[in-house]
Amino acid sequence: NAGVTQTPKFRILKIGQSMTLQCTQDMNHNYMYWYRQDPGMGLKLIYYSVGAGITDKGEVPNGYNVSRSTTEDFPLRLELAAPSQTSVYFCASSYSIGESWKGYTFGSGTRLTVV
Amino acid sequence: KQEVTQIPAALSVPEGENLVLNCSFTDSAIYNLQWFRQDPGKGLTSLLLIQSSQREQTSGRLNASLDKSSGRSTLYIAASQPGDSATYLCAVSKETSGSRLTFGEGTQLTVNP
Repeated sequence: NAGVTQTPKFRILKIGQSMTLQCTQDMNHNYMYWYRQDPGMGLKLIYYSVGAGITDKGEVPNGYNVSRSTTEDFPLRLELAAPSQTSVYFCASSYSIGESWKGYTFGSGTRLTVV
Repeated sequence: KQEVTQIPAALSVPEGENLVLNCSFTDSAIYNLQWFRQDPGKGLTSLLLIQSSQREQTSGRLNASLDKSSGRSTLYIAASQPGDSATYLCAVSKETSGSRLTFGEGTQLTVNP
């Protein structure tokens, strides 16, 4: 299994540009997440989804949008990129139904620089 | 708002030493606590998960303990090896689904040969 796949791995954006970070998982996990990690810091939750068609804001959602049309895919959209969005972005997934729970699987990250 | 703090921020030890990483959290109403390992340029790998009803978990040379009432967890690494060099992150969740983690800032560990 591939696990959680993120593309691209690196990207440089100019201020005001837009882009979509792609995330796909093949583990049939119902939960998916986007976190960002600034240098020397822990991860902060941007958005998450508990299943297809359902998304909700995390701690730092401003400047981002998400959609979850399928179980497998959870793209993150950046509109009007700003230098403050320079960060490493991680997609993750987990599974929880009733008493059954499987822990987090993280993608390898997308390093984004806004100049 | 939950705050998670990890001490020390960085640690350098000689190979073979036993060591302890600390994690504290401000809201004791957690469902579980996880320890992750992060290698440079890589994603996070889950090491140990402790449910709120548990006191500790062990995996190989790693042992994690949880004292929910005091808001503390420790990660004990026995007989450290250069391959243990990485950043270690702890994270807590308030939900029974185990979702929505709040992370500490991590401890950067260097094990010198």
